[in-house]
Amino acid sequence: GAVVSQHPSRVICKSGTSVKIECRSLDFQATTMFWYRQFPKQSLMLMATSNEGSKATYEQGVEKDKFLINHASLTLSTLTVTSAHPEDSSFYICSARDQLAGGYNTGELFFGEGSRLTVL
Amino acid sequence: LAKTTQPISMDSYEGQEVNITCSHNNIATNDYITWYQQFPSQGPRFIIQGYKTKVTNEVASLFIPADRKSSTLSLPRVSLSDTAVYYCLVNNAGNMLTFGGGTRLMVKP
Repeated sequence: GAVVSQHPSRVICKSGTSVKIECRSLDFQATTMFWYRQFPKQSLMLMATSNEGSKATYEQGVEKDKFLINHASLTLSTLTVTSAHPEDSSFYICSARDQLAGGYNTGELFFGEGSRLTVL
Repeated sequence: LAKTTQPISMDSYEGQEVNITCSHNNIATNDYITWYQQFPSQGPRFIIQGYKTKVTNEVASLFIPADRKSSTLSLPRVSLSDTAVYYCLVNNAGNMLTFGGGTRLMVKP
């Protein structure tokens, strides 16, 4: 199956700093990627939809100025958590759909390994 | 988007068959039903997808009745490594996936 890679897998930062998480589709192109956040023992919550070459679409309650998303190419989307605070500590997961493999029509998404952010 | 309802948790023993049922009463005509598996600190992994009747692959079967208002994921002969959270989702082409609460499966020796 298609592979989506995230980096870094774990990051620890001080409060007030910014952290960038990369999401790459390794063997396919994705005009759309999705960013999720997951707190312990909870389900995944969609944060935003990342569109290549255009602005991301944010879900209600997600601050677009705090969670900056850039999708500059068909294989890379980045999520930057700006001025991070301890409450931003979470597991961030990206996903992408392989448009050419039939995934687009069937809704199958491929997920990255996730990035665990800890803000001290 | 269709909402899904699953049991919060289930227990089973190694070697048993596990059936997890998901309700999706307001599923739309063009929605597919997809199941994902998630281990701790990992991203979800696709298990199986179907539209109607029965779908089977090398790891699971998916049973969907004619009214499509529910679906059942069947895991044959589970092992300890099948302990995970299983999510049932309904969606159609081009849309993001909205996750429900999932079912936490615990397989015991």
